Amino acid sequence: DIQMTQSPASLSASLGETVTIQCQASENIYSGLAWYQQKPGKSPQLLIYGTSSLQDGVPSRFSGSGSGTQYSLKIRSMQTEDEGVYFCQQGLKYPYTFGGGTKLELK
Amino acid sequence: EVQLVESGGGLVQPGSSLTLSCVASGFTFSNYGMNWIRQAPKKGLEWIALIDYDSHNKYYEDSMKGRFTISRDNSKNTLYLEMNSLRSEDTAIYYCAKWGGSYFEYWGQGVMVTVSS
Repeated sequence: DIQMTQSPASLSASLGETVTIQCQASENIYSGLAWYQQKPGKSPQLLIYGTSSLQDGVPSRFSGSGSGTQYSLKIRSMQTEDEGVYFCQQGLKYPYTFGGGTKLELK
Repeated sequence: EVQLVESGGGLVQPGSSLTLSCVASGFTFSNYGMNWIRQAPKKGLEWIALIDYDSHNKYYEDSMKGRFTISRDNSKNTLYLEMNSLRSEDTAIYYCAKWGGSYFEYWGQGVMVTVSS
């Protein structure tokens, strides 16, 4: 199985700050990487797929990049509504696996 | 608007069985693969199974293969997850999700399953 390791496990950011979350795969996943945001008591919502494609309706301050085994999610200009837990997920092959999550809080 | 609505959860005893349902609307259900994913309390996400659009192919996480069965009824726009021999570690919120090819495009609100005596 492909293991997905996210870092950091948690972070806090001030309004307007740029935030970066990292995701490392245990093998090359050929850009088959998605990011999700989950708010308390809610289901996860797709933010980015295919490493860098923004899902419809997602603000443009979110962006994704990476290749091979290393990927990142960047939030430019942190907003209050960006608080939540972020998960990465590899979609190269089953079992489709997720990172452990990064909890993002407003400082 | 895509909607996925799960049902069938609840409190069950260890060793028992339960079948979850997920009714889909807002898209042509019969054209898309569908998944089940779960999340144990305060834990991360665990993919369970994928069924392709016509039920021809089904894929499972190894540890759940044999106990869990994914199925669908395209005439009813409904996805199912039959769970047998339930254990306390199966306690989780269970989500259905529309497959986007390599990602989970839309998720339901989830249904809680609690396995406890």
